[in-house]
Amino acid sequence: QKEVEQNSGPLSVPEGAIASLNCTYSDRGSQSFFWYRQYSGKSPELIMSIYSNGDKEDGRFTAQLNKASQYVSLLIRDSQPSDSATYLCAVNGGDSWGKLQFGAGTQVVVTP
Amino acid sequence: ETGVTQSPTHLIKTRGQQVTLRCSSQSGHNTVSWYQQALGQGPQFIFQYYREEENGRGNFPPRFSGLQFPNYSSELNVNALELDDSALYLCASSGGVGADTQYFGPGTRLTVL
Repeated sequence: QKEVEQNSGPLSVPEGAIASLNCTYSDRGSQSFFWYRQYSGKSPELIMSIYSNGDKEDGRFTAQLNKASQYVSLLIRDSQPSDSATYLCAVNGGDSWGKLQFGAGTQVVVTP
Repeated sequence: ETGVTQSPTHLIKTRGQQVTLRCSSQSGHNTVSWYQQALGQGPQFIFQYYREEENGRGNFPPRFSGLQFPNYSSELNVNALELDDSALYLCASSGGVGADTQYFGPGTRLTVL
């Protein structure tokens, strides 16, 4: 059973629309949650971190965390073609502190 | 502030050979983690070094080994290369135990023929 699960996509989003990405995790003791963006052939780039239940906003990005449901999401508002990338959900903590567990990523394609 | 750097960028080896990959951590960071990312998959944790000691290991065989130096730079060594070792190898640095946000270097693309 995968420990961090994401929809693989691709998620096609019209330019200017909201992209909604979902992630579930199995380790109930997880404490830290991250979203990374990865362009093709490049390394992951940190977008957001979230530690507490609720929403956290940073520019056009909003991360949402619900520990009871073991669910974390990322919203991208006013999507731009430059947002076309794979988005990786990563989870840290529980019995694997220091070891980031990644989902397989969701590919987002923003269409003009 | 200097970010995480890795060398080399690309590497081609043949099965059975040995390889060493290098990583310099971001300024002020004392923890280095290594990940393997196969095509189309998320990164998989190999191991982490904190103040020159291994601080956790993922599900990788002993032919994957590492070092961290007093300046917090690190090496990943892989012996007896197999075709399945072909992947992007990522190094990430963070600010020590409790400062868990990890910042990735550009990666080393290893191809095993």
